[in-house]
Amino acid sequence: DVKVTQSSRYLVKRTGEKVFLECVQDMDHENMFWYRQDPGLGLRLIYFSYDVKMKEKGDIPEGYSVSREKKERFSLILESASTNQTSMYLCASTQGNEKLLFGSGTQLSVL
Amino acid sequence: GQNIDQPTEMTATEGAIVQINCTYQTSGFNGLFWYQQHAGEAPTFLSYNVLDGLEEKGRFSSFLSRSKGYSYLLLKELQMKDSASYLCVKYSSASKIIFGSGTRLSIRP
Repeated sequence: DVKVTQSSRYLVKRTGEKVFLECVQDMDHENMFWYRQDPGLGLRLIYFSYDVKMKEKGDIPEGYSVSREKKERFSLILESASTNQTSMYLCASTQGNEKLLFGSGTQLSVL
Repeated sequence: GQNIDQPTEMTATEGAIVQINCTYQTSGFNGLFWYQQHAGEAPTFLSYNVLDGLEEKGRFSSFLSRSKGYSYLLLKELQMKDSASYLCVKYSSASKIIFGSGTRLSIRP
């Protein structure tokens, strides 16, 4: 079964901590995405990567950075976590215009 | 703009049929996805329309009219497990995938 794997299902961090969210896909997809989802706001794109070491800012990149050193892995970094970054984080991957495949999500709470 | 409009909430009865509508801006359109999302879980793929017409897949069907910027998801023989949010998603390019806010569907016995 092809899949997108996110390293943690639930995560609790303190304000100011550096947080790493990892995502791995086994489908050799070129495109990988990080979204956050908040009630009433839908999915919002944080960052998108279309190849190794290539990235584009999405709609809400402030307070986040990303890393894609290998094709299968796309990491989201919160340099200094804040309470307004408490959210569900979803990683996805796709090839061309094929369907997006999502990881199971990480519910991050920043206290 | 790139807004996608779909109803916020709908309620239907077990065993019945429900249609969830979606409208979108036609500029830059290259495809329309529907996803299902249960509470606290990730979205899962339901259907993908590129050309006009109806695509049927078991109890679920999706329709597209590109000229009208309109799609609907049709769910037949509703089951309690169909209670979920349904996301309408417009694909323009890999860097331009627009999600609707979702329609929360509640199924009553």
